Amino acid sequence: DQQVKQNSPSLSVQEGRISILNCDYTNSMFDYFLWYKKYPAEGPTFLISISSIKDKNEDGRFTVFLNKSAKHLSLHIVPSQPGDSAVYFCAATGNQFYFGTGTSLTVIP
Amino acid sequence: EAQVTQNPRYLITVTGKKLTVTCSQNMNHEYMSWYRQDPGLGLRQIYYSMNVEVTDKGDVPEGYKVSRKEKRNFPLILESPSPNQTSLYFCASTSSDFYNEQFFGPGTRLTVL
Repeated sequence: DQQVKQNSPSLSVQEGRISILNCDYTNSMFDYFLWYKKYPAEGPTFLISISSIKDKNEDGRFTVFLNKSAKHLSLHIVPSQPGDSAVYFCAATGNQFYFGTGTSLTVIP
Repeated sequence: EAQVTQNPRYLITVTGKKLTVTCSQNMNHEYMSWYRQDPGLGLRQIYYSMNVEVTDKGDVPEGYKVSRKEKRNFPLILESPSPNQTSLYFCASTSSDFYNEQFFGPGTRLTVL
């Protein structure tokens, strides 16, 4: 059974607007949550992470929010740029890493 | 340049013919792992290793073997490949502070006929 879920396979956003990508998880014992970005024909690259003891982490245009009671995290990209168009994976970890199925973000110029 | 390398990048083989996909990292990372990516299923961890001579099963270990004799290398072995192992495979590594970024290799596209 999928322990990390991304229920939106795709998302389209206008350039300059906010992109919000969502992720749900089932295991309350996860220690850390991470977001990765993937372009076609390349391996995923790390974007941002958040510890389970925090509820927000910010890095430039990227902010991750964690709602432990809802077992939900989200990635906010503000402002969105065409170069942000990629597949975004959320992941959760203890010793193992569990990835979601990915959300394909398209930023329209 | 810090990197994870995988070889081969593309491989077409036949059912039952043993193969090895190599993975090497130059960052002195303790933690290494293998993933497969399939449509609609995302990335699933096959095996991981927290250090030399220490390996553990991930979510989908059936049909795969790994070894970690040296810190930098973590080969993935398919002793008797089957068509359901046709997939895109990624190797990754991270430091002992492994809650932070994993560095991924470029991927190996495997087709088993």
